[in-house]
Amino acid sequence: EAGVAQSPRYKIIEKRQSVAFWCNPISGHATLYWYQQILGQGPKLLIQFQNNGVVDDSQLPKDRFSAERLKGVDSTLKIQPAKLEDSAVYLCASSPAGAYNEQFFGPGTRLTVL
Amino acid sequence: AQSVAQPEDQVNVAEGNPLTVKCTYSVSGNPYLFWYVQYPNRGLQFLLKYITGDNLVKGSYGFEAEFNKSQTSFHLKKPSALVSDSALYFCAVRDMLRDYKLSFGAGTTVTVRA
Repeated sequence: EAGVAQSPRYKIIEKRQSVAFWCNPISGHATLYWYQQILGQGPKLLIQFQNNGVVDDSQLPKDRFSAERLKGVDSTLKIQPAKLEDSAVYLCASSPAGAYNEQFFGPGTRLTVL
Repeated sequence: AQSVAQPEDQVNVAEGNPLTVKCTYSVSGNPYLFWYVQYPNRGLQFLLKYITGDNLVKGSYGFEAEFNKSQTSFHLKKPSALVSDSALYFCAVRDMLRDYKLSFGAGTTVTVRA
């Protein structure tokens, strides 16, 4: 089966600019996650969707980050405006419904904010 | 709040020797425990999980892990390491009683020398 797709793979922007990332989960997976992975750290959950509803966005910096999952399939994550500390790899993952299920991760988008 | 500790930033072993990557966790309720591996410029790949039942869990690529409730540990093991096992390994936990969020450790870099 096809894996989780993400684009772009790399993005370089200047601070205060905007950027958007796209994710296409594995077909049939109800749950979609966005993680931020800063160099030297484990992934940190930003937002979790169940179908097209938000389950957890407690660690999403809502003053600058936004995410949506239209029609319960694809998702976009946006940063506006970007800060230097947003430089990280942004990982998208999906899983079938059920907290005991493992998550399948995409290759990630490496964001560099100058 | 749930948390995961990986006490070793790096583990170095010779090919053919046993490999152990340590993980301890803290949760309020029952844990769901996972191990993931990350190769350079790629997303995380699922290795194995403990949900319930037998404390010894077998996973992909010859890896196994032992759940120890009294020591709150979930160490990853491989009897005979390969050079291709060199990667970054993450332990993760979900507290099913309090929080469905998956919390990751900081990761352990494994280097297997030929």
